[in-house]
Amino acid sequence: QKEVEQNSGPLSVPEGAIASLNCTYSDRGSQSFFWYRQYSGKSPELIMSIYSNGDKEDGRFTAQLNKASQYVSLLIRDSQPSDSATYLCAVIEQTGANNLFFGTGTRLTVIP
Amino acid sequence: IAGITQAPTSQILAAGRRMTLRCTQDMRHNAMYWYRQDLGLGLRLIHYSNTAGTTGKGEVPDGYSVSRANTDDFPLTLASAVPSQTSVYFCASSEGPGWNTEAFFGQGTRLTVV
Repeated sequence: QKEVEQNSGPLSVPEGAIASLNCTYSDRGSQSFFWYRQYSGKSPELIMSIYSNGDKEDGRFTAQLNKASQYVSLLIRDSQPSDSATYLCAVIEQTGANNLFFGTGTRLTVIP
Repeated sequence: IAGITQAPTSQILAAGRRMTLRCTQDMRHNAMYWYRQDLGLGLRLIHYSNTAGTTGKGEVPDGYSVSRANTDDFPLTLASAVPSQTSVYFCASSEGPGWNTEAFFGQGTRLTVV
């Protein structure tokens, strides 16, 4: 299996600030990367996917991928209290069954 | 509303009992997955099925079995439950398998084995 590492946090940012969430992965051949958001007691929901090096923006969210450094990040601009959740980084392995492996998640708290 | 339905939403189970967690999707996705989520350990893959009629083992398959008789259903069975199987179980599906496949999750089943 492949390893996906995240800082468990908690990460606290004031409302309106930029939240930066980071993830590293061990499988150099991985091509697909995802960020899921999980509210307490709820199921994970997909918020971003990224497949190529560089930045991908979607509203207040920007995913960044650096395959050479095996690093993927998520930036949340103008953070809102409703962004308070656990953010899960996920990677698809490129051998065998193409399964989706998750990091342990980073808990984000946005302080009003 | 299209999506993934899991049942039951929660269950308290005596150790040694057999239990089947149900999962149904109506999105006609080829691939389905079972994860368990434990504090500090994140989501771990138990079993998967890339298409109807096939199944495979994930990271933590011991003590669990699955079947995939058709596209829509992917039940997870605990043959003889043990307390270490206390967890939140999530079923997921995707169009895949494939490098760009995105997974969608059911609402979860909270299982307590006593």
